[in-house]
Amino acid sequence: DAKTTQPPSMDCAEGRAANLPCNHSTISGNEYVYWYRQIHSQGPQYIIHGLKNNETNEMASLIITEDRKSSTLILPHATLRDTAVYYCIVRVDPQKDSNYQLIWGAGTKLIIKP
Amino acid sequence: EAGVAQSPRYKIIEKRQSVAFWCNPISGHATLYWYQQILGQGPKLLIQFQNNGVVDDSQLPKDRFSAERLKGVDSTLKIQPAKLEDSAVYLCASSRALAGDDTQYFGPGTRLTVL
Repeated sequence: DAKTTQPPSMDCAEGRAANLPCNHSTISGNEYVYWYRQIHSQGPQYIIHGLKNNETNEMASLIITEDRKSSTLILPHATLRDTAVYYCIVRVDPQKDSNYQLIWGAGTKLIIKP
Repeated sequence: EAGVAQSPRYKIIEKRQSVAFWCNPISGHATLYWYQQILGQGPKLLIQFQNNGVVDDSQLPKDRFSAERLKGVDSTLKIQPAKLEDSAVYLCASSRALAGDDTQYFGPGTRLTVL
């Protein structure tokens, strides 16, 4: 099962900042938080990931609380093309001789309105 | 760099028929994943390869699904025979699998409809 909880849907006005929350209260100390998004009829697209510190790249910012039990993805100036399903994922530590795995929930459907 | 390629993009078959999907990962990516995504849900991992070896196939319905990655590059996923509940989008992803960089890059997916 996914280790994250997200609201099923959100709206945001074009040009405003979109703030997408995620709860991951059972996260372990060395597990990363990943964010992907999926635009309709496309494959998921990587956005950003982080462990403890806040992170920023050309697409978004990731704010992780000090206790690491929740995080927020920020799209600073949302455009219509940012309408998508946004997935917050805790990367599960590998078992012996395995690789990291992403366990996906249902995500948040973000609708950007003109 | 070129992205993950998948074909076909769409496939419609009748139940009990067979179907195969093809994936070409990003050049140099050692790890390849197949996911199943049912409408309204997040992707579910079916199988994970590291080069040409299987790392995890615990969620692959092995009575009807099979996958291979013979030369550690391209991969095929087969369903034989298909059931109605197999209708979904099948996503392929790849990653470098280097320490600290296991970001997964996804292809566009194959939408399967089983009638």
